[in-house]
Amino acid sequence: NAGVTQTPKFQVLKTGQSMTLQCAQDMNHNSMYWYRQDPGMGLRLIYYSASEGTTDKGEVPNGYNVSRLNKREFSLRLESAAPSQTSVYFCASRSGGGTDTQYFGPGTRLTVL
Amino acid sequence: GENVEQHPSTLSVQEGDSAVIKCTYSDSASNYFPWYKQELGKGPQLIIDIRSNVGEKKDQRIAVTLNKTAKHFSLHITETQPEDSAVYFCAPTDSWGKLQFGAGTQVVVTP
Repeated sequence: NAGVTQTPKFQVLKTGQSMTLQCAQDMNHNSMYWYRQDPGMGLRLIYYSASEGTTDKGEVPNGYNVSRLNKREFSLRLESAAPSQTSVYFCASRSGGGTDTQYFGPGTRLTVL
Repeated sequence: GENVEQHPSTLSVQEGDSAVIKCTYSDSASNYFPWYKQELGKGPQLIIDIRSNVGEKKDQRIAVTLNKTAKHFSLHITETQPEDSAVYFCAPTDSWGKLQFGAGTQVVVTP
């Protein structure tokens, strides 16, 4: 049981390049989330998926797109990376049932030059 | 939108002493109140949580107290140890599971 996994762990992009961050969970959770964490700040929600086949915007969605590929996988795409998107990105999942605990992945550290 | 304030932003304690972190929120729809611990280079991990129908919960050296009327909840760590050094986040949550994170508290436990 690996929990929530993310790839890659580190990535450096040039301005304008695109990339996809991958996230998978093996806990059979319904809901999945993408956050970004900037220095001195808490995590801010980018997008979430309450269940397979649905996605919704969070607090800071501009410049990002997401895909809920299946129940296990939720990807985050940067179509044209900007330096302001330099951050650490965390994926999380939640059962959506009686417990409200979110479980987080180890994060992806992204630098946009 | 929701507003979450967490105090203090940094906390330095001597090993064995207690640490208290307070979280104030504004969203009256919040009904679940977790605390997360984040160690360097890792994702946040849940350490304790409390639901809106309970005033206090304890798990060994950590406890959480909730005052829903005043809209604040606190994390208490007793007999602090060096491995308690980390960043702690409160994250009041609504019934849809949307968390609003506080800015975090850097706790440093000195031997």
